[in-house]
Amino acid sequence: DGGITQSPKYLFRKEGQNVTLSCEQNLNHDAMYWYRQDPGQGLRLIYYSQIVNDFQKGDIAEGYSVSREKKESFPLTVTSAQKNPTAFYLCATDSEGLLNQPQHFGDGTRLSIL
Amino acid sequence: QKEVEQNSGPLSVPEGAIASLNCTYSDRGSQSFFWYRQYSGKSPELIMFIYSNGDKEDGRFTAQLNKASQYVSLLIRDSQPSDSATYLCAVLPSGSARQLTFGSGTQLTVLP
Repeated sequence: DGGITQSPKYLFRKEGQNVTLSCEQNLNHDAMYWYRQDPGQGLRLIYYSQIVNDFQKGDIAEGYSVSREKKESFPLTVTSAQKNPTAFYLCATDSEGLLNQPQHFGDGTRLSIL
Repeated sequence: QKEVEQNSGPLSVPEGAIASLNCTYSDRGSQSFFWYRQYSGKSPELIMFIYSNGDKEDGRFTAQLNKASQYVSLLIRDSQPSDSATYLCAVLPSGSARQLTFGSGTQLTVLP
C-alpha cells in the first residue's frame, strides 16, 4: 500500500529531552518536507530535502534537526533547544517540484510536553 | 514577507448551497496555488490545484484564479455536511520550487 507513514501518532516530551519523529514513504518521491501546525494556524515549513544527503532550512528550523540518509526516510529531531515544541507535525512529499504537482501529507504526529 | 491571507471564518452555509472560500496573496509572481481540506485532528488532503488564470472544475469543486487581482477562490457546489472542515490555501511564491506559503485556513460549517 503506497503512502507516507508517520510515527508515532502521539508523542510526549520531557523537559530537556530530544525526541525523534519518523517519516517513511514508498512513493519513490525525491522531495520530503517537515511542517509544524499550531492550533488555528496554517502550516510552517521546518526543513525540506530534495535529494539524499542534502536538506535545507525552512522558516522555523531553530531547535530542530533532520537527516536524509535514505530516499525513503526523513526523520525529524525536536531538540531541547526548541522551547515550545507542542504542535502537530506533518511530513509531506512530492516528486517533481510544485510548479505542476501538489504535495501530499502523512497522517501527522501530535507532540506534547509532559 | 510573502503572505497568504484567508478569512478565518467560521463560514456557515446551508446544505445544498454554494460555499465560496477566498484567498489573497502578496507575491505577484506566485506560480502555483493549492487548496487543501483539513478535518479536525487530521492531516490536510488535496482538493485542487491551479496554476493558470481562469477556472478549473473537478466535480462539485471549482478553483478560480485571478493573477492580476492576486486572488484565488474555491467554490463548493451542493455543499454537504461532510464538507465541514478547515480549508487551507497554499501558494508557491516566485523564485521557489519547493517552499509553499500557507494561509491560516477558513473554517466551513455546512448546516443540515
